Amino acid sequence: NAGVTQTPKFQVLKTGQSMTLQCAQDMNHEYMSWYRQDPGMGLRLIHYSVGAGITDQGEVPNGYNVSRSTTEDFPLRLLSAAPSQTSVYFCASSYFPWQSSGGAPDTQYFGPGTRLTVL
Amino acid sequence: AQTVTQSQPEMSVQEAETVTLSCTYDTSESDYYLFWYKQPPSRQMILVIRQEAYKQQNATENRFSVNFQKAAKSFSLKISDSQLGDAAMYFCAYGDQGGSEKLVFGKGTKLTVNP
Repeated sequence: NAGVTQTPKFQVLKTGQSMTLQCAQDMNHEYMSWYRQDPGMGLRLIHYSVGAGITDQGEVPNGYNVSRSTTEDFPLRLLSAAPSQTSVYFCASSYFPWQSSGGAPDTQYFGPGTRLTVL
Repeated sequence: AQTVTQSQPEMSVQEAETVTLSCTYDTSESDYYLFWYKQPPSRQMILVIRQEAYKQQNATENRFSVNFQKAAKSFSLKISDSQLGDAAMYFCAYGDQGGSEKLVFGKGTKLTVNP
């Protein structure tokens, strides 16, 4: 059980380039999300998905695209990278809704993060 | 919109001593969840403890406990018998219960443990 995996761990882009951050989980979690973490800030929600084919915007969605074709994968796409997107990106997953079959609310499991620098 | 405030950017504690990290939040909901996450230098986000708002009893996990004051919208974390491995950033987070698992995080408190 690998949990939540993210690739790459580090990435440097030039302004205007595009790329996809990969996120995968093997826990059969319905809910997946992307956060960004900037210095002096907590994590902020970019996009989330409550199941395959369903996505929605979080607090800071501009400049990012997502899709969810399978339960396991939730890639984050930067269409035209900007220096303001320099950040550490975290993917997270959990059962949905939080109250799992055991009756207790579940928790979100985070991936190890991707450090992205846009020059 | 919900907000989470951590008023202590940095805290320090002597090894084996006790430290309390503060967190306040703002919400109009009556049912919700609160979390403390630890982020060591490895950047991994690790759940420390969670609290359901409908439970009056404070959550406890080994050396970690919370003081949940619902009326005051306060959710502090107490670390007893502090260890060097407790040194990390600690984030307080809020989550709605009503079908939305989006977490709102505070800005974090950096905890230093002195030997």
